[in-house]
Amino acid sequence: GAVVSQHPSRVICKSGTSVKIECRSLDFQATTMFWYRQFPKQSLMLMATSNEGSKATYEQGVEKDKFLINHASLTLSTLTVTSAHPEDSSFYICSARASTGETSYTFGSGTRLTVV
Amino acid sequence: DQQVKQNSPSLSVQEGRISILNCDYTNSMFDYFLWYKKYPAEGPTFLISISSIKDKNEDGRFTVFLNKSAKHLSLHIVPSQPGDSAVYFCAASAWAGSYQLTFGKGTKLSVIP
Repeated sequence: GAVVSQHPSRVICKSGTSVKIECRSLDFQATTMFWYRQFPKQSLMLMATSNEGSKATYEQGVEKDKFLINHASLTLSTLTVTSAHPEDSSFYICSARASTGETSYTFGSGTRLTVV
Repeated sequence: DQQVKQNSPSLSVQEGRISILNCDYTNSMFDYFLWYKKYPAEGPTFLISISSIKDKNEDGRFTVFLNKSAKHLSLHIVPSQPGDSAVYFCAASAWAGSYQLTFGKGTKLSVIP
């Protein structure tokens, strides 16, 4: 079945540095990638939606200059947390969809970011 | 290998009837299970959860049943309403405090008025 590989699974970085998280669709072409941030009580917040070759659409309240999303190919999307601060510590998950008609979403395994 | 499986990509139910969404898992380390609901253009929202020490958890119209021996859980919605039409994701984690969730691929529920 469709697999999305998300790396790294865990990362610890110093405050002020940048961290890149990758999501790769291994056996299908991901027309659309979604990036989520997980909050306490298991709630997921949609941060942005990216379509291959175009700029990401950010949700209200998400800083596009801080959370850089690149979807350069049909199999790779990256989220870069720039100038990370401790409050950015969270669990980030990507999800991919093969086409606009698909209702099947494949989630990555998530990245636990800790900013110290 | 897909550790959380939702084998039905879609389900249609008449308004007022029961909706049953199914989920199977393979990892015996999972002991906390969650259901999320997703409307188009929104992120999934948490709906209901169950710990492996229980076999049933109820919240209003939503009930989740867990069969550990079969590694199977189901979400029952009674009565179904048109506003319940959405994609439902099953997710699992190894313990309730863990952030790391493994998701199924989702089931699109359509409730027909």
